[in-house]
Formats: sequence, structure tokens, C-alpha cells
Amino acid sequence: AQSVTQPDIHITVSEGASLELRCNYSYGATPYLFWYVQSPGQGLQLLLKYFSGDTLVQGIKGFEAEFKRSQSSFNLRKPSVHWSDAAEYFCAVGATNAGKSTFGDGTTLTVKP
Amino acid sequence: DTAVSQTPKYLVTQMGNDKSIKCEQNLGHDTMYWYKQDSKKFLKIMFSYNNKELIINETVPNRFSPKSPDKAHLNLHINSLELGDSAVYFCASSQEGGSEAFFGQGTRLTVV
Repeated sequence: AQSVTQPDIHITVSEGASLELRCNYSYGATPYLFWYVQSPGQGLQLLLKYFSGDTLVQGIKGFEAEFKRSQSSFNLRKPSVHWSDAAEYFCAVGATNAGKSTFGDGTTLTVKP
Repeated sequence: DTAVSQTPKYLVTQMGNDKSIKCEQNLGHDTMYWYKQDSKKFLKIMFSYNNKELIINETVPNRFSPKSPDKAHLNLHINSLELGDSAVYFCASSQEGGSEAFFGQGTRLTVV
């Protein structure tokens, strides 16, 4: 069975600092991986996705993620966080179709001024 | 134009009532979903549906039922509402074959 673990429930960073959100997955085949962001009171928006090819994936809003098969990880990174990045971040894994994937429990990002 | 729209945005109702949440997508996608997000923000899929199959998460009570009048709509009917049904419900859609899911803004359901 597929599963996703986001080990950090809550992360606080200062504006301008770098960010890394962790995601570990369990999947029986080559996974399809996604990162979504949910701003307060909003739905989820796709930041980036990995299907195959280059293991370093670029997304919107300056985010990137790196697929590491040996570590079963797909960590999300941003070199310099902006106050508007404060949100809930979800990693998802599994089916070719993102809607059918399994979502992690989310990481809440707080940005300090 | 909103890609995936849900109505209402907020819904407050009493225990035991029956209610519906509507969802429409104008993206031409062939698959639609309903998710439940609880107070801890955990996101769980309830249903996935296209014109060929309905997949139900086995943990979903049969008081919940999706109804699809056409490819662009997937409504959620809930019978005999319970306090534990209070949550934010998200509709989403996607195209088969490795594409992202587009989410609606959510419906915050409060059962009192």
C-alpha cells in the first residue's frame, strides 16, 4: 500500500531564510509525486510534480523538489522564503492521476518577519 | 472563470438533516473527486468518479453519496448529518494519465 509521511507538523522560518520541507513515501513502483500548497481558506494548488526524468523538479513560486529514490524522499525547497509562503503544504504520492494519490498529513509553515 | 467551483462555501445545519454540496468544473476533465479535510487539516479522499467507474473509499459512511448529472458536475449528498461530519469538503477534478488535480475552494460544513 502506498503511504506518505511528512515528519514535520509545523515549521517556522524567518523571512529570507531557506526552507526545506520533508516528504517520505512508500510505494510499490516508480512513484508519481506531487507537492501542493493550501493558503488559509483556500483550496489546494499544485506547486510541482515528478513523474520521470530529471530528479530535480522546478515548480511555481520559486519552489523546487528533489526525488531521491534511495531515500524514498521528495523534499521541497526554497532558497529564500517570503511572508506570503505561509501556508499548509501537502506532499502526495501514487497514481498517475494526482486526484487518486495519497496525501500526507501536511506541514504548516509559519514565516517570521 | 473559476475552474472548479463549489457551492455553498459555508453550510451550517442541524444534526439529522440532509444536505447537498454542488461542484462544477469547466476544465473538460473526465474524473472528479470529493475530499474531506478535518480539523487537523488531514486530507482524505472520499470518492473518485468518472463516467466509467465510481471508486468509494471504504471508510466513508453510506450516508454520503456522490451524484453526477453529467461529466462536469459531481454533487455530494449527505443524509442524517452527524456532528462528526463537520469538516471542509473539497471537490477536485483531473484528466486521466498523469495530470494534476484542480481543487475547488472548499465548503465548510458545520453540524450543530
